[in-house]
Amino acid sequence: AQRVTQPEKLLSVFKGAPVELKCNYSYSGSPELFWYVQYSRQRLQLLLRHISRESIKGFTADLNKGETSFHLKKPFAQEEDSAMYYCALSSATDSWGKLQFGAGTQVVVTP
Amino acid sequence: EAGVTQSPTHLIKTRGQQATLRCSPISGHTSVYWYQQALGLGLQFLLWYDEGEERNRGNFPPRFSGRQFPNYSSELNVNALELEDSALYLCASSSPDRNTEAFFGQGTRLTVV
Repeated sequence: AQRVTQPEKLLSVFKGAPVELKCNYSYSGSPELFWYVQYSRQRLQLLLRHISRESIKGFTADLNKGETSFHLKKPFAQEEDSAMYYCALSSATDSWGKLQFGAGTQVVVTP
Repeated sequence: EAGVTQSPTHLIKTRGQQATLRCSPISGHTSVYWYQQALGLGLQFLLWYDEGEERNRGNFPPRFSGRQFPNYSSELNVNALELEDSALYLCASSSPDRNTEAFFGQGTRLTVV
């Protein structure tokens, strides 16, 4: 069975400090991995996907198949990064809209 | 461009009643997905409709059902409401192209009393 685990419910960091959100998954096969973000009073939106190997808003995420992890990192947190972050997985044969989400990590960046 | 719209924003129902939630996808999108976000349970995949057909459903009882109309809008129906059905229900849509992201609506907050 596929599963996505985000061990931290809450992550509190100071502005300018590095931030890392952990995500581990279990899946037999090659999944598609995503990070979604929900800012206060806004809708859930895609932040980045592993297949693109991109950096969005200073965030990067590396897929480590050996450790089955997809941690999200940013070297210098900003106050506007305060939000709820969800790691999500889609099967390689499914639509990217059919997602298995982790429980989410609330990030609070304090000045 | 208008995003995914859901109605109503809030819905209060009594246990045992039926609830109908509506979703209008982004223009040009043919797939609609429904998710439940209950307190303490996170986001759970409910249903996926594409071109009017149900493509997949999550681990939910049959009293959760829905349909997709010819204009690709969708309804989620929850029959015989139970207190634990109280949750935020999110709808998302995606284009017909393979491997494209899904865009989410603001959700409908269903409260069962």
